[in-house]
Amino acid sequence: QTVVTQEPSLTVSPGGTVTLTCASSTGAVTNNYYPQWFQQKPGQAPRPLIYNTGNKYSWTPARFSGSLLGGKAALILSGVQADDEADYYCLLYYGGNGVVFGGGTKVAVL
Amino acid sequence: QVRLQESGPGLVKSSETLSLTCTVSGDSINNYFWSWIRQPPGKGLEWVAYTFFGGSTKYNPSLKSRVAISVDTSKNQFSLNLDSVTAADTAMYYCARVIVDSQHLYFDPWGQGTLVTVSS
Repeated sequence: QTVVTQEPSLTVSPGGTVTLTCASSTGAVTNNYYPQWFQQKPGQAPRPLIYNTGNKYSWTPARFSGSLLGGKAALILSGVQADDEADYYCLLYYGGNGVVFGGGTKVAVL
Repeated sequence: QVRLQESGPGLVKSSETLSLTCTVSGDSINNYFWSWIRQPPGKGLEWVAYTFFGGSTKYNPSLKSRVAISVDTSKNQFSLNLDSVTAADTAMYYCARVIVDSQHLYFDPWGQGTLVTVSS
C-alpha cells in the first residue's frame, strides 16, 4: 500500500519561514505526481492552495509557494502570519491506483 | 462559479449501506471527473473514489470491495454508496471536482462536507 508521508507537526515564529514536505513510499516525487497542497482550519473544509507542484490559485497568498525539493514535494511558507496556523495536506497522483493524501502537517505559529 | 453540496443521512446503522449525493451547480457534470473524500473525526483526509460520467472510475484499494460511485447527468449529481459500514466509516464526507487533462490534475472546488456517524 502506497504511503505519503508528511511531518506531523512544525512550529514557526511569526515572520519566519517553514518548509513542509511530502514524500512517497514509491520513490522520488516528480511533477508527474501532480502534487497538490491544501490548508484546513478547524471546522472548515480543506482549501486548495497549490496545484501541479507550484501553481497558485487566485486566492493563494504570495507567501505560499510549492516546489520539488530533494525528491519530495514541498510547500514553503515565507513571512508566516498567525492566520497560517492550520493543518496542511498534500495529495499525490498514482495513475491507475488513484490518489493518496499525506497524513497532514499541523503548523503552529508561536 | 461551480458549487458542490453534499446531502444524505447523518446517521447510519452498522452493517447497513451509507448513501450520499453531491449536487453540482454552476457547470455541467458531464465535463469533469468527480470525487469523494472522507475525514474521520480528528484524523487526516482519505480519498475514496473518483469517476467520469463516461465510465472511467477509480476506487481506493482499501475500500474497493464496498464502495460504488455513480453519476446522474439528468440531475447534475453524483453519488456514493458504501456497503457494510462500521464505526470506522464514521467521518466527514466531502465531494470535489477533479480537473484532469494532459497537463493538470487537481481537486477543486470542494463541498462543505457532511458528517456521517455509524451507530451500533
